[in-house]
Amino acid sequence: EVHLLESGGGLVQPGGSLRLSCAASGFTFSSYDMSWVRQAPGKGLEWVSVISGSGDSTHYADSVKGRFTISRDNSKNTLYLQMNTLRAEDTAVYYCAKGAGASWYSVLDYWGQGTLVTVSS
Amino acid sequence: DIVMTQSPDSLAVSLGERATINCKSSQSVLYSSNNKNYLAWYQQKPGQPPKLLIYWASTRESGVPDRFSGSGSGTDFTLTISSLQAEDVAVYYCHQHYNIPFTFGPGTKVDIK
Repeated sequence: EVHLLESGGGLVQPGGSLRLSCAASGFTFSSYDMSWVRQAPGKGLEWVSVISGSGDSTHYADSVKGRFTISRDNSKNTLYLQMNTLRAEDTAVYYCAKGAGASWYSVLDYWGQGTLVTVSS
Repeated sequence: DIVMTQSPDSLAVSLGERATINCKSSQSVLYSSNNKNYLAWYQQKPGQPPKLLIYWASTRESGVPDRFSGSGSGTDFTLTISSLQAEDVAVYYCHQHYNIPFTFGPGTKVDIK
């Protein structure tokens, strides 16, 4: 059974940094693209970033480009999101999600429960 | 970026009745090489992550009840719940994974009348 468990969320001041983790199990982690998607309180879903199975290719939403870095450690079956220069508008629940195939353009078929990031002074 | 719109914003349907949600993309999400629409539907209940219902616009995910169906192609899509059940109360999102950045519709809230 596929299982995704995010951690690392919390309260951080504007301009601060935070690193999210997503521990994966139940599938061959290195074979699938992984994404981060966020949801501001009471709002809709916003795709943030995707990384290839090998980790050598990444893409970002314009809203986080240059501030966030997605990475993965396939030996630990773990996905990361390094978030720097955080802003109030980054406040959201952050979900990691698994791509259904080996392509960038695979549908996201499994999602974690999410971790809340609050950016506030 | 591909902009996704949904209508209505919310709807209330009696138990056992049909619920229909529309989704429109600002450009086609049909990939001509494989004739597949890169359009998915998700269901999100309060306090839970999104759950994949439909992919390729009309393929039901394993385990999803057959009262859920998807249709459409190109830029116009529909999610239909043929006979609404109490457990279907949720927000439903359409999602295009045709172009990066991937985008979602704003969501449609479904309630019981």
